[in-house]
Amino acid sequence: GEDVEQSLFLSVREGDSSVINCTYTDSSSTYLYWYKQEPGAGLQLLTYIFSNMDMKQDQRLTVLLNKKDKHLSLRIADTQTGDSAIYFCAEIMNQAGTALIFGKGTTLSVSS
Amino acid sequence: GAGVSQTPSNKVTEKGKYVELRCDPISGHTALYWYRQSLGQGPEFLIYFQGTGAADDSGLPNDRFFAVRPEGSVSTLKIQRTERGDSAVYLCASSVQGRLGNEQFFGPGTRLTVL
Repeated sequence: GEDVEQSLFLSVREGDSSVINCTYTDSSSTYLYWYKQEPGAGLQLLTYIFSNMDMKQDQRLTVLLNKKDKHLSLRIADTQTGDSAIYFCAEIMNQAGTALIFGKGTTLSVSS
Repeated sequence: GAGVSQTPSNKVTEKGKYVELRCDPISGHTALYWYRQSLGQGPEFLIYFQGTGAADDSGLPNDRFFAVRPEGSVSTLKIQRTERGDSAVYLCASSVQGRLGNEQFFGPGTRLTVL
């Protein structure tokens, strides 16, 4: 079956870097995504990476992709208390469609 | 507003009742998705519309679940004979064309509680 795996919790101090890891299932996935969910709010797309890339940087966010190991990571530099949220890794469900398979989410807690 | 809206925001019903959940996608978005998010889980795909037609309904858990999008805009997710296990947040998303790489914009969800 298809399953996207993430660690469930991460706790960091304000100003530190956070690294959230994800293992996905389909080596042919073309796009991989990171979504953020804050309490009472909808899912917000943070960033995505195309499968022909190893790395993508967007301000404080760095995404690393290791296709051989099917491993994706999201690094948040200079983590702020406002970054506290649940972060979901997602991949395309199948090549025929564009629906997403999500991991269970990593709860990031940032303490000041 | 410019985003995806869902109504109601909360729905409490009794086991065995029928419920309808509504999604208003972003204007002009042809693709619409329904997901279900149970407590402590990530969203799980239910159904995907391209225009008026259901392009992929492989995620619907059983025949008590049905969704329509008659005019290619608003969509309604219908659940018959609700069960306690149907309790979850039901999320709707839309994207411009439903092509690979098109961003899916999510609504705030409808929290369904079946007593």
